[in-house]
Amino acid sequence: EDKVVQSPLSLVVHEGDTVTLNCSYEVTNFRSLLWYKQEKKAPTFLFMLTSSGIEKKSGRLSSILDKKELFSILNITATQTGDSAVYLCAVDTGNQFYFGTGTSLTVIP
Amino acid sequence: DSGVTQTPKHLITATGQRVTLRCSPRSGDLSVYWYQQSLDQGLQFLIQYYNGEERAKGNILERFSAQQFPDLHSELNLSSLELGDSALYFCASSVGGGSLDTQYFGPGTRLTVL
Repeated sequence: EDKVVQSPLSLVVHEGDTVTLNCSYEVTNFRSLLWYKQEKKAPTFLFMLTSSGIEKKSGRLSSILDKKELFSILNITATQTGDSAVYLCAVDTGNQFYFGTGTSLTVIP
Repeated sequence: DSGVTQTPKHLITATGQRVTLRCSPRSGDLSVYWYQQSLDQGLQFLIQYYNGEERAKGNILERFSAQQFPDLHSELNLSSLELGDSALYFCASSVGGGSLDTQYFGPGTRLTVL
C-alpha cells in the first residue's frame, strides 16, 4: 500500500532555531515529492523535488530528496513566528497524490 | 490569494442530502483537482480533471462525482451525505495536467453534515 509518513507530528521551537522536518514514502511509482505550508487556510506550495531536481532552496527554506532511501527533509533556518504552520509532504505517483499527516510547527518568540 | 475561487465558503446540511461545490481555476489553468481534508484522515486526493476530461482518480467515494465544464470551472457533487463527509473540500488548479505542474489551492469549502 502506497503511503507517506511525516515526522515529528509536532514541534515547538524558539525563534532563531533551525528545524528539520522529515518525510518518508513508499509508493509504487514515484514522479515527484512536494512540500506545502498550511496555515489556517489553504496549503501553499513550497517545493517540488524530482529525480532531476533533488535539492531546492528558497531563502531560509531548503529541501533534499533521497530517492535511494525514499525520504525527504525540509530544513528551516533562523525560524520566525511566521513559520508557524502545518507542513505537508505529498508524493505524486502520476495518477494519485498521497499526503502525509503533516508536521505542526510552532515558533515561540 | 491564489486566484482559485471556491463557492460556497461554508455549507451546512443534513444527512442524506446532496450538495454541489463549485471551483473556478486560475485564468489559463487547464487542470482542476479536488481534495478532502478531515481531522482524522488528513488531506486526501479525490479527482483531477484536465481540459474537461478525467485525468486521475483517487479515493473518491461512489456517492461523489465531479465534472469540468467547457469554461473550465468544476463542480464536485456529494450525495447521500453522511456525518463522516463533514470536512474541508479544497480545489486546486494548475496550468497543465502533468506531474511537474505546480498546484494552486483555493480557500476551500467547509461542509458540515448534521
